[in-house]
Amino acid sequence: IAGITQAPTSQILAAGRRMTLRCTQDMRHNAMYWYRQDLGLGLRLIHYSNTAGTTGKGEVPDGYSVSRANTDDFPLTLASAVPSQTSVYFCASSEHASERQYFGPGTRLTVL
Amino acid sequence: SQQGEEDPQALSIQEGENATMNCSYKTSINNLQWYRQNSGRGLVHLILIRSNEREKHSGRLRVTLDTSKKSSSLLITASRAADTASYFCATDASGTYKYIFGTGTRLKVLA
Repeated sequence: IAGITQAPTSQILAAGRRMTLRCTQDMRHNAMYWYRQDLGLGLRLIHYSNTAGTTGKGEVPDGYSVSRANTDDFPLTLASAVPSQTSVYFCASSEHASERQYFGPGTRLTVL
Repeated sequence: SQQGEEDPQALSIQEGENATMNCSYKTSINNLQWYRQNSGRGLVHLILIRSNEREKHSGRLRVTLDTSKKSSSLLITASRAADTASYFCATDASGTYKYIFGTGTRLKVLA
C-alpha cells in the first residue's frame, strides 16, 4: 500500500541518548516535513525538505537534525535527547512544496 | 508563534447540525489547508484553498477564505458522529513553503 511510514511507533528514551526517527514514503514526493505535536500547541514544524539534497529549518529546529540523501527517506535525529522533546512526532510529504500533505501515523517519544 | 489560530477551541453539537470553525492567520499566504485528526492518529487532508480563491466545496465541507481579513472558515453540514475529531488549519507564509498549523478545534458530534 502506497503511503508514508514511520518507525518506531513508540519509544522510551533516557535523557542524553541519541535517537533517530525514521520516515519513508513511496509516493515519489519531492517535499517532506517533520512536525511535533504537544497537547494544546497543535503541530509545530521542526525541519522540512523541498527536494532531495536540500533541507530547511522550521519553527522549532533546535536539538534536531535531518538529512535527505534520497527522495524516499527523511530521518530525524535527536543528538542528545532532553525531556522537553517528549512529544508525538509526525512525518509528512507532499508532491511539491505548498501542496496537500500526507501524514504518517506518528511516533510517540518519551524522554525520561 | 502560531501563524494560524482556530476558534472555537472546542465545539459540541448534535448530529445533523452544522459545525462552523474559524481560522485566523498573520501573514500573506500561498494557500490555506484544513486537516482532520482523529484521536491519536495522523492528520488527514480535507481541502486546500488558494489565495486567489474565495470559496471551495468538497462533499459536506465548505471552506471560505478572506485574505483581506486573513481568515478562513470551515463549515461541515449535516454533521455525523463520525465527524468527531480535531480540525486544524495550516498556512504557508508566501515565499517560505513552511507550513504553520493552528492549535485546532475539537469537534464533538453527539448522536
